Formats: sequence, C-alpha cells, structure tokens
Amino acid sequence: QVQLVQSGAEVKKPGASVKVSCKASGYTFTSYYMHWVRQAPGQGLEWMGIINPSGGSTSYAQKFQGRVTMTRDTSTSTVYMELSSLRSEDTAVYYCARDGYCSGGSCYSDVIDYWGQGTLVTVSS
Amino acid sequence: QSVLTQPPSVSGAPGQRVTISCTGSSSNIGAGYDVHWYQQLPGTAPKLLIYGNSNRPSGVPDRFSGSKSGTSASLAITGLQAEDEADYYCQSYDSSLSGSHVVFGGGTKLTVL
Repeated sequence: QVQLVQSGAEVKKPGASVKVSCKASGYTFTSYYMHWVRQAPGQGLEWMGIINPSGGSTSYAQKFQGRVTMTRDTSTSTVYMELSSLRSEDTAVYYCARDGYCSGGSCYSDVIDYWGQGTLVTVSS
Repeated sequence: QSVLTQPPSVSGAPGQRVTISCTGSSSNIGAGYDVHWYQQLPGTAPKLLIYGNSNRPSGVPDRFSGSKSGTSASLAITGLQAEDEADYYCQSYDSSLSGSHVVFGGGTKLTVL
C-alpha cells in the first residue's frame, strides 16, 4: 500500500532553515509527482510547490520563490523540502502529498491522492 | 486571501442536505481546470473526497457529490451524519501571467447540529 512517511517535528529559531523529508513506499517513486502543502495553526491549506521525482524538476509557488528548495533521492525514494529564512509565520504543519489519481482508465493530474502524516515546524525565538 | 473562495462555515441537522460553494475565476475554474474536494477531520491529513469535478474515489459514500459550472463548483452532502463534521477544501489549478500552480479554497467548516 502507498505510504508517505515524513520526518519528525522541528523547532527552529527565526532566520534558520528547516529540511523536511518524505519517504515514499508502495509504488514506483519516479512515476508520480510530489506536492508540498502547508497548514498554519487553525488555517487552510497552502500549496508550496511540486517536484518531479523522475528528473528532479520543480515548480514553486511565487510566495516561496527564493526560500524553498525541493529535492529528491531516487535511491531511497525520498523527497525533501527545505525552507530558509524562517519567520514565525512559517509555523505550520508541512505535508508531502502524491499527485495523480487514476480510475477506470482515466488519469487526473494536479489532484492529491495520498498525503504524508504531516510534520510540525515551529519557529520561535 | 485564497484564489478560490469558500464560505467559512456551513451547518445542518442530521439527515439534511448542505452545499458548499467554491468560486473561482477565468484563470482557474472558468478556464476549464478540474475541481477536486478534500475532507479534513480534526488532527488528520486531508482526504480526497471528489476528483475531476464530480467523481468519487472508491470508498466515498454516494451521499457526497460534486458539480461545476462556469467559474464555480459545489460540493453537496445529503443525509448529513455526525461523522461528516469536518473541514472541506476545494482545489483547482490556476494559470495566469504570474505562473501556473495548484490553488486551494480557504476551507469550509461543516458543523452538524
């Protein structure tokens, strides 16, 4: 079965960086793009970007351009999201989420079928 | 604010029908991009509820249905049950001069009275 297992909670000081990992299993890692989505406490979902695990290409939300880097390691079926210059507003649960849903011969992209369990990143001095 | 607009909250009694709207624009829903819906129970990751505007993944009860028209979409829940109390999010794709990317609605909290 498909599983996305993320790294544990982090506490960081303002200005620091955080790197969250997401290990995939139960499917062919390079066949599905991976999104990163975050959710601040009591707030809605915010899309951060997407990575193609096959070639490593990325696309980031304009809001995070210059601060976020998404990478992958095909040898361990793991994707990473690094966010730099952290501020208190970056306190949130960060999710990795697999793109794509196929049913009855039809496949849809830009839809999320599987989510990681989430990683809480707390930014506090 | 979110690119897709949802009401912050809706409520209904058990057995009733409720709808949640998702309003976009000509660069997302109105451009023909599909709308998807997610259900998020407290303390858990979101779960795909409706994909491709109106399709249910296996295991999702047929009490949940989705539709899309013009620049808007809707999620309907009939026969409301206590376990439906959750946050609901619509999601689509947006393509404009500033780039192309996934977009979410702000979320709607459903309260079962």
